[in-house]
Amino acid sequence: QGKLQESGPRLIKPSETLSLTCTVSDDSIRSYYWSWVRQPPGKRLEWLGYIYHTGRSKYNPSLNSRVTISVDPSKNQFSLQLTSLTAADTAVYWCAKTLIPGTAGWFDPWGQGILVTVSS
Amino acid sequence: DIVMTQSPDSLAVSLGERATINCKSSQNILFSTNNKNCLTWYQHKAGQSPKVIIYWASTRESGVPDRFSGSGSGTNFTLTISSLQAEDVAVYYCQQYHSSPPTFGGGTKVEIK
Repeated sequence: QGKLQESGPRLIKPSETLSLTCTVSDDSIRSYYWSWVRQPPGKRLEWLGYIYHTGRSKYNPSLNSRVTISVDPSKNQFSLQLTSLTAADTAVYWCAKTLIPGTAGWFDPWGQGILVTVSS
Repeated sequence: DIVMTQSPDSLAVSLGERATINCKSSQNILFSTNNKNCLTWYQHKAGQSPKVIIYWASTRESGVPDRFSGSGSGTNFTLTISSLQAEDVAVYYCQQYHSSPPTFGGGTKVEIK
């Protein structure tokens, strides 16, 4: 089924850009879609976007174009960039394999998650 | 966006007793291609990542104990744990994948009474 591991900074300042990377092992990133999901403290889970190995991507409109997801098939990795950070972006961020039968999908498996705190 | 509403927010059940979690979608989430409902249930234990236990509203993920079952159609769905075990303590989330963006319920925390 594969394993996913997020990496990146755990503390970042407001207005900066968050960059996270997800490394996929025991699976090929050339299959399926790959997503980022987050959960701010006390709030519900939120899908940020997904990418295919070809570079085709789709994002949650709620992020107002602040999010970009890229993929590097040669490294079996995909990455998240989130710009113009505020305290509201403090959350646990997960990467996840995404199965899409139609226009949206479900997430299985997930990485272990990384808590990112936005604070000066 | 499709809004997913779960109830109750939390639930305390005695070991061996039944736990029932409800999830309501703001729109019909039936997938016309296969006549199945686009709903997944996740189990999220403390310190772990969420895990799929049910997809297509009623299909149990491989390896998930058969005390977990999903039911419902259209806009109303239910996750049932027929005989609660200690290892089932977790937060449970429903999620629709009928329309983009995929959206989650607010979660139901299941504890032992």
